[in-house]
This record gives sequence, C-alpha cells and structure tokens, in this order.
Amino acid sequence: DGGITQSPKYLFRKEGQNVTLSCEQNLNHDAMYWYRQDPGQGLRLIYYSQIVNDFQKGDIAEGYSVSREKKESFPLTVTSAQKNPTAFYLCASSIEGGGTDTQYFGPGTRLTVL
Amino acid sequence: GNSVTQMEGPVTLSEEAFLTINCTYTATGYPSLFWYVQYPGEGLQLLLKATKADDKGSNKGFEATYRKETTSFHLEKGSVQVSDSAVYFCALKTGANNLFFGTGTRLTVIP
Repeated sequence: DGGITQSPKYLFRKEGQNVTLSCEQNLNHDAMYWYRQDPGQGLRLIYYSQIVNDFQKGDIAEGYSVSREKKESFPLTVTSAQKNPTAFYLCASSIEGGGTDTQYFGPGTRLTVL
Repeated sequence: GNSVTQMEGPVTLSEEAFLTINCTYTATGYPSLFWYVQYPGEGLQLLLKATKADDKGSNKGFEATYRKETTSFHLEKGSVQVSDSAVYFCALKTGANNLFFGTGTRLTVIP
C-alpha cells in the first residue's frame, strides 16, 4: 500500500528533552512538509523540503529542526528550545510542491510534554 | 497576503439534512482551493479540490465550486450521514509550497 506513515502515534516527553518524530512515504513524492495543529486551530507550517538535502523554514520553525537525507524520509526533531511543544504533528507529501499540487497527509503524532 | 475564513462551528445536523459550510479566501495570484476532512484522532484526508475559477470539485456526495467573483469555495452536501461527522478544513495554495488553512468546522450528524 502506498502512503505516509508517522510514528509513534502518541509520544510523551519530559521538559528539556529533545524528541524526534518519524515520517516516511513510499509515494515517490519529491516534496515533504511538517505541520503543527493546536486545538481549535488550522494547521501551521513548520518546515518543508522540495528535494533531498534541501529544506526551508515555514511559519513557525523556531525550536524545531529537520533533515532530508533520503527522498522517502523527513524526520522532525522537537528541541528543548520549543516553548510549547504539546500539539498534534502532521507530516504531508506532494509530487513536486507546485501551486496545484495536492498534499497528502499522514495519520499524525500527538506529542505531550509532561 | 493569503488567508482563509470558514464558518465557525460546531454544526449539528440531523441525518439526511442539507449541509453548507462557508469558506471565503484572500489570496495573491490565482490559488488552488481544497477541502480536507479530519476524522477523530486521524490525519487530514483530501476531500476535493479545484484549481481554477468555475471549477467544481466533488467527492463522496460533497461539492464545492471555485467562485472567483465572490472569493468563495463553499462546501455542500445534499444529504449528510452520521459517518460524515468530522472536522472540515478549507485551504488554499498559491505558487508557494504552503497550504493556508482555515480554522476548521466541526460537523456532528445525529441519527
């Protein structure tokens, strides 16, 4: 089955710890994205990558880092510098990132900071 | 700048009722418009999209028409089911990589 997988589904972290969220896709898409969703709000873009070994900051990149060493993988690290990391994190991918491109989403990871 | 405004929820309807969720947008250039649906505890699924003015997107009985003159992309369904209960997001995309989302409208359909 083609799709986007995110793991884990639920993640708990102590304050001051870094944590890495996994995102894998087997759709052969060039572009990948990370969004953050807070209760009652729309999604906000954290980082995106149009091609391997290249990525760009989105609207709320502070306190996050990413890497894109392989086409199918785009892990997100939530660092201790992120002041309010508890949220639902969604990964997405699209064929090439153009204006009419459709983004397809994974099932999400819910991160809770204890 | 780019932004999306959609009607606030929650919306509660009886089964087989008619649904409209309003969405208006502000955009530079000529955006593509999308409706996504999110079921409880899950990621977003693309429901339908339209890439140019007067296009109509449709899927699973839902429809939305890209109205450039009113900058709108309202979601409609003639007869909702309990299984349609979810949060619906309107979104736009210009030439950049970012999707701009509305805040979502929660729909609850009761039997």
